[in-house]
Amino acid sequence: EIVLTQSPATLSLSPGESATLSCRASQRVSSSLAWYQHKPGQAPRLLIYDAFDRATGIPARFSGSGSGTDFTLTISSLEPEDFAVYYCQQRSNWPPEVTFGGGTKVEIK
Amino acid sequence: QVQLQESGPGLVKPSETLSLTCTVSGGSVNSGDYYWTWIRQPPGKGLEWIGFIYNSGTTNYNPSLESRVTISVDTSKNQFSLKLRSVTAADTAIYYCARDPTAPPGFDPWGQGILVTVSS
Repeated sequence: EIVLTQSPATLSLSPGESATLSCRASQRVSSSLAWYQHKPGQAPRLLIYDAFDRATGIPARFSGSGSGTDFTLTISSLEPEDFAVYYCQQRSNWPPEVTFGGGTKVEIK
Repeated sequence: QVQLQESGPGLVKPSETLSLTCTVSGGSVNSGDYYWTWIRQPPGKGLEWIGFIYNSGTTNYNPSLESRVTISVDTSKNQFSLKLRSVTAADTAIYYCARDPTAPPGFDPWGQGILVTVSS
């Protein structure tokens, strides 16, 4: 099983600041690395797939990067609606098993 | 636009079987292009993948749950279902169904989620 470790657990920032979220895998991940935003009472929302492709309708301030075992989600200038929990997720090739990271909470400072 | 909706009991007794259904609209569960997936989130914890079904019958499960889980599909109703046997309080969670393309992967859309509480 591929374990995904996200850091930091909590990020305290102000609107307008930039957020950098890390996701580290216990072994090499294919490009099938995705990022989700999750707000209380809502379903998670796909932000990034294939490590760096933005999902439909996702603002350009969200960007993904990385390869191998180290991946990053960057939010270039935080909007009030961006304060949420963010999860990374991978799916191995075969058998196709899925794991999620533990999440990073981006909170208002 | 594809939409998913979970349904089922919100309360299950310990040792019994949790049964949930996901109804798909705007798309077909028959499509071999997607893994039809169940995911859960226990209170205060992160997301946990339960498993999926695709090609109208092939399944794959989280090894930690595999002995208790069955996912099935009803193509006539365009639904897929989850059964989790011998539940305990640790199975209390919000349960989501979601669609995952075989390529490129990424869960979208998701159902709204359903809270299932295991309690006597």
